Amino acid sequence: GDSVTQTEGLVTLTEGLPVMLNCTYQTIYSNPFLFWYVQHLNESPRLLLKSFTDNKRTEHQGFHATLHKSSSSFHLQKSSAQLSDSALYYCALRTGGYKVVFGSGTRLLVSP
Amino acid sequence: DPKIIQKPKYLVAVTGSEKILICEQYLGHNAMYWYRQSAKKPLEFMFSYSYQKLMDNQTASSRFQPQSSKKNHLDLQITALKPDDSATYFCASSQAQTGDYAEQFFGPGTRLTVL
Repeated sequence: GDSVTQTEGLVTLTEGLPVMLNCTYQTIYSNPFLFWYVQHLNESPRLLLKSFTDNKRTEHQGFHATLHKSSSSFHLQKSSAQLSDSALYYCALRTGGYKVVFGSGTRLLVSP
Repeated sequence: DPKIIQKPKYLVAVTGSEKILICEQYLGHNAMYWYRQSAKKPLEFMFSYSYQKLMDNQTASSRFQPQSSKKNHLDLQITALKPDDSATYFCASSQAQTGDYAEQFFGPGTRLTVL
């Protein structure tokens, strides 16, 4: 079945350093839709980024990601981490149906 | 105004009892979902409904039964509650077109504790 892998459970960074959260996926569907959701403490998840176009960079709120179908990856990046970026980040996959498969999540902690 | 309402916000139940979690969305969406989040499984897809019809069921236990009385309602009935059912249950909604990569909007969640 479809799956999403986020290898890091916890990423700790100092403010100002670059952010990279890894996401790889597995699916037989040739046109997957990939998402990044962010969940701040005591809040519900909300969409950060989405893409279905191969090799096209998508950006929002300083974050960016590029879907690479050749490597089945959709890594999340930001050039400079801010304290307010501390949150739980989920990579998610949708393959044309209604089901969305979420990764296990990566908690990002940004310190001063 | 909140676009997705979940009731109650907090719920405490005893083992073996039955509870209903309420979800209403006012986004005009035709697809609705239930997710569960706990320390063991960060965000777990449970059900999806489109136009009040069940589309996906990833919940093995029949103790969990979604109920859709209206297009913008998707309640979750849980019977014979167990302590392992303790989690935050999120309702979500999106546009219903198959193949669309529509964003899912999440409600504020119901935090269930089973004693």
